[in-house]
Amino acid sequence: NAGVTQTPKFQVLKTGQSMTLQCAQDMNHEYMSWYRQDPGMGLRLIHYSVGAGITDQGEVPNGYNVSRSTTEDFPLRLLSAAPSQTSVYFCASSYRQSSYNSPLHFGNGTRLTVT
Amino acid sequence: AQKITQTQPGMFVQEKEAVTLDCTYDTSDPSYGLFWYKQPSSGEMIFLIYQGSYDQQNATEGRYSLNFQKARKSANLVISASQLGDSAMYFCAMRANTGGFKTIFGAGTRLFVKA
Repeated sequence: NAGVTQTPKFQVLKTGQSMTLQCAQDMNHEYMSWYRQDPGMGLRLIHYSVGAGITDQGEVPNGYNVSRSTTEDFPLRLLSAAPSQTSVYFCASSYRQSSYNSPLHFGNGTRLTVT
Repeated sequence: AQKITQTQPGMFVQEKEAVTLDCTYDTSDPSYGLFWYKQPSSGEMIFLIYQGSYDQQNATEGRYSLNFQKARKSANLVISASQLGDSAMYFCAMRANTGGFKTIFGAGTRLFVKA
């Protein structure tokens, strides 16, 4: 049981490049989300999904796209990378989307540097 | 608006002593969950403990307990008998119905355990 798998672990991009961060979970979780972690700011929600075909914006969605074509996968796309997107990115999932008592299960994170 | 506040950027504790990490929250929703996560220096996010808004008793998980004071909107994490391995970043988080079940995080507290 792999849990939440994120790839890659590290990535360096040049300004203007695009890329996709992959996230997959094998726990049949309804809810999936992407966060970015910056020093002193905790984790901020970028986008989330409550099920296949349904996505919504979080707190800091600009510059990012997501899609959820299957229950298992929730990729995050950076359209045109900017230095301000240098951060650690976490994918997280939880069992039920309509429940406030489900903890998040996290991937191991992707450290992204944009030069 | 929902908010989580952690006012202690860093804390020191002597090994084998207890330590309290502060967390206050703000929500108008009567139904919500409060969570604590640990992030060691290796970077992964680990779920520690959960408290529901209707729970009458404080949650406990091994050496972790959550001091839940609903009227004061506080959910402090108490770690008893600190160990060197407790040195990490700790995040308080909340999930509520009216927030679309999104999980929001505080800025975190870095705990240093001294030998």
